[in-house]
Amino acid sequence: NAGVTQTPKFRVLKTGQSMTLLCAQDMNHEYMYWYRQDPGMGLRLIHYSVGEGTTAKGEVPDGYNVSRLKKQNFLLGLESAAPSQTSVYFCASSLRVLFDEQFFGPGTRLTVL
Amino acid sequence: GDSVTQMEGPVTLSEEAFLTINCTYTATGYPSLFWYVQYPGEGLQLLLKATKADDKGSNKGFEATYRKETTSFHLEKGSVQVSDSAVYFCALTLASGGSYIPTFGRGTSLIVHP
Repeated sequence: NAGVTQTPKFRVLKTGQSMTLLCAQDMNHEYMYWYRQDPGMGLRLIHYSVGEGTTAKGEVPDGYNVSRLKKQNFLLGLESAAPSQTSVYFCASSLRVLFDEQFFGPGTRLTVL
Repeated sequence: GDSVTQMEGPVTLSEEAFLTINCTYTATGYPSLFWYVQYPGEGLQLLLKATKADDKGSNKGFEATYRKETTSFHLEKGSVQVSDSAVYFCALTLASGGSYIPTFGRGTSLIVHP
């Protein structure tokens, strides 16, 4: 089992460029999440999904879009990157939301110039 | 809304010292509580959890007890090692009104010196 994988690991963008971050899990989990981690801010939830074909907004959704076309994949898109989106992005998945822990990917470090 | 408050770091200790990292929460209902650990350059990984009041989670010498009366889930370890140096996150999950948003504290950095 690979667990949760994220692609790419690092990326540098210019302001206004777009990109998609890919998250994949092989644990047949229903729930998937995208977070951003900034110094002193802890983890903040961007979007999440409670199953294939469903998505919902988290705490900081502005400037991001997501899609969950397949159960194992959760994509995070930045349509027009801004320097404020410079961060480390983590994907996570869980079997159930209430009792089960989240499994995290290794993260994607994104810099927007 | 739901929230998690944990003590600010960094916490700096000598090897074999006793560790406490405080965590308190605010939630309507009965959340599950978690401690995660993040080593440099890595994602978070579960350290321990408790899913109901008075449960004690434990792993690798770390312990935390779910105290509903004080809405707390403090992390403790009797004798820390240099390898315990990491950032520790307290978190809760609560399914309420169709919302499934997990809530994390801001993290507490632990530095253990030889």
